[in-house]
Amino acid sequence: SQTIHQWPATLVQPVGSPLSLECTVEGTSNPNLYWYRQAAGRGLQLLFYSVGIGQISSEVPQNLSASRPQDRQFILSSKKLLLSDSGFYLCAWTNRETIYEQYFGPGTRLTVT
Amino acid sequence: DQQVKQNSPSLSVQEGRISILNCDYTNSMFDYFLWYKKYPAEGPTFLISISSIKDKNEDGRFTVFLNKSAKHLSLHIVPSQPGDSAVYFCAAYRTYKYIFGTGTRLKVLA
Repeated sequence: SQTIHQWPATLVQPVGSPLSLECTVEGTSNPNLYWYRQAAGRGLQLLFYSVGIGQISSEVPQNLSASRPQDRQFILSSKKLLLSDSGFYLCAWTNRETIYEQYFGPGTRLTVT
Repeated sequence: DQQVKQNSPSLSVQEGRISILNCDYTNSMFDYFLWYKKYPAEGPTFLISISSIKDKNEDGRFTVFLNKSAKHLSLHIVPSQPGDSAVYFCAAYRTYKYIFGTGTRLKVLA
């Protein structure tokens, strides 16, 4: 069966510090991978998606970036965090043959102080 | 431009009764619609989806109805159980992207 891992689960970082969140998927090949953010009391905002290694599409211009160095690894980064980057970050994957089902990781709670 | 809307932020239902969660969309080009359940501090859990060429899909206690002319879909949960208490998100898919609504908090009263 497929599983998706995210770490860390929680993170408190000062403004201006760098960020690296990692997501890995097990039990599948060539998944489509996604990063979302949920701000307090809001819906899920799509940040990035990737349909293959090295292929990144950005949905929201901001100081975040994403990379996919391996087939089942997706990384969310920032060089300098802003207060507005606080939120709940979620990684998700879909199988290309069943794009009508999307599965999420447990999420990372990021607080920028 | 909010393409997917959930206009009811909350809903309370008695245990054993039907819960109906609603979602509206603006883009008639979406290919699939999905429903998720989310508990606090956890990732959303996929519940059920429907293709844009269908008008109903059923899975156990969950049924999703799609009204393309009204650009409206709904999730029916029958019978509702206390464990169904959570935030429910609808989402629409087209060309790799999933667009989410803002969620409806369902409370099932025992």
